[in-house]
Amino acid sequence: SSELTQDPAVSVALGQTVRITCRGDSIRSHYASWTQQKPGQAPILVIYAKNNRPSGIPDRFSGSSSGNTASLTITEAQADDEADYYCNSRDSSANHVIFGGGTKLTVL
Amino acid sequence: QVRLQQSGPGLVKPSQTLSLTCTVSGVSMNNGGYYWSWIRQHPAKGLECIGYIYNSGSTSYNPSLKSRVTISIDTSNNQFSLNLTSVTAADTAVYYCARLQLGVVRGGSWFDPWGQGTLVIVSS
Repeated sequence: SSELTQDPAVSVALGQTVRITCRGDSIRSHYASWTQQKPGQAPILVIYAKNNRPSGIPDRFSGSSSGNTASLTITEAQADDEADYYCNSRDSSANHVIFGGGTKLTVL
Repeated sequence: QVRLQQSGPGLVKPSQTLSLTCTVSGVSMNNGGYYWSWIRQHPAKGLECIGYIYNSGSTSYNPSLKSRVTISIDTSNNQFSLNLTSVTAADTAVYYCARLQLGVVRGGSWFDPWGQGTLVIVSS
């Protein structure tokens, strides 16, 4: 399969921990990365190659992977974390890159 | 700091060709090690990778768009471009350029940084 599946929406209370998941067969073979997009803005990378953070991304963001599922965990969620989060990975052929459908995170 | 600046028309007529250019600053595209990609986002929808190119000119395209897409590179001007032919209303979207890195270990892939995005509307 060359699809990545994400829950459409997740909510978290301010200051709590939330996990956003991404499922797909390609994740068994290829690390996932995570991108954050706020309304009207270009996406930015928050986690790459399973669990690496670009410069400037708080260490509240972390990634993990097990079997066919990759996860993005945000600890001590802040109001500013409210955004759409997309996972991506290589497809099964490794010749192309695919995205999950995105998860809208609401911070309550 | 690497920056990607997009340019191109925001309105294209049906059946015509959509053309966008991405100018890269802060790094030479001749250096290698990175791919240069185009991604689009339909209104209120998710992200879709259109394709990418290496500085050698080697390309990879989304199978669903492959027959209509050409991505080219001009390393002398540090630019790369997207051409999408025979557009329809279904091609109306925000188009982004981004630098793509393809990892060696377990084939990770990540886009960073991104251009500012260009809303392209296909309409007569």
